[in-house]
Amino acid sequence: LAKTTQPISMDSYEGQEVNITCSHNNIATNDYITWYQQFPSQGPRFIIQGYKTKVTNEVASLFIPADRKSSTLSLPRVSLSDTAVYYCLVVLSGGYQKVTFGTGTKLQVIP
Amino acid sequence: GAVVSQHPSWVICKSGTSVKIECRSLDFQATTMFWYRQFPKQSLMLMATSNEGSKATYEQGVEKDKFLINHASLTLSTLTVTSAHPEDSSFYICSANQQLGDNVLTFGAGSRLTVL
Repeated sequence: LAKTTQPISMDSYEGQEVNITCSHNNIATNDYITWYQQFPSQGPRFIIQGYKTKVTNEVASLFIPADRKSSTLSLPRVSLSDTAVYYCLVVLSGGYQKVTFGTGTKLQVIP
Repeated sequence: GAVVSQHPSWVICKSGTSVKIECRSLDFQATTMFWYRQFPKQSLMLMATSNEGSKATYEQGVEKDKFLINHASLTLSTLTVTSAHPEDSSFYICSANQQLGDNVLTFGAGSRLTVL
């Protein structure tokens, strides 16, 4: 399982774009990059997943460079409700492989 | 979308008693479910992989006799904390894979266990 490294915490003002970078130097060919969001006392929620280049959905964008050794989660115009912990995971595609979580990034949105 | 229901959402028990937590996949079948534990201000720690119709696979350091896992059907897995002690107080979260080939997990809302 590829290890991920991301900042422990970040602060941002409301309305700003937030970019959280994750490094995964030993990512394997069949691995996908997946991000989850977790609010206090709740289970994590899937945000976005990608393999390469750029993926966008209604919540976020995920940028993955060609070497795939890092990825950046971009949250446009954050609000106070985006205050949460964001986890970057590298997961093997297909099957039911176990998924382990790293430390995550605690994002605090400031009014 | 996929929904995983977890019950109870919180439970308080006396030391020495056993507590059962249920995890159900509501609109899909889950051959495999995962149980995590999370202490305050820490990340999720994988405890075990629950396999329908077979024994669970426990992570290193997790006592299988302490944390009994049963996955009797394709939509239900249960975690029983036996002879609970205060150090077992934690947030327990289950998850299931919708089996779409992307290894994306759907998580339950979690169960807060407090052992007095």
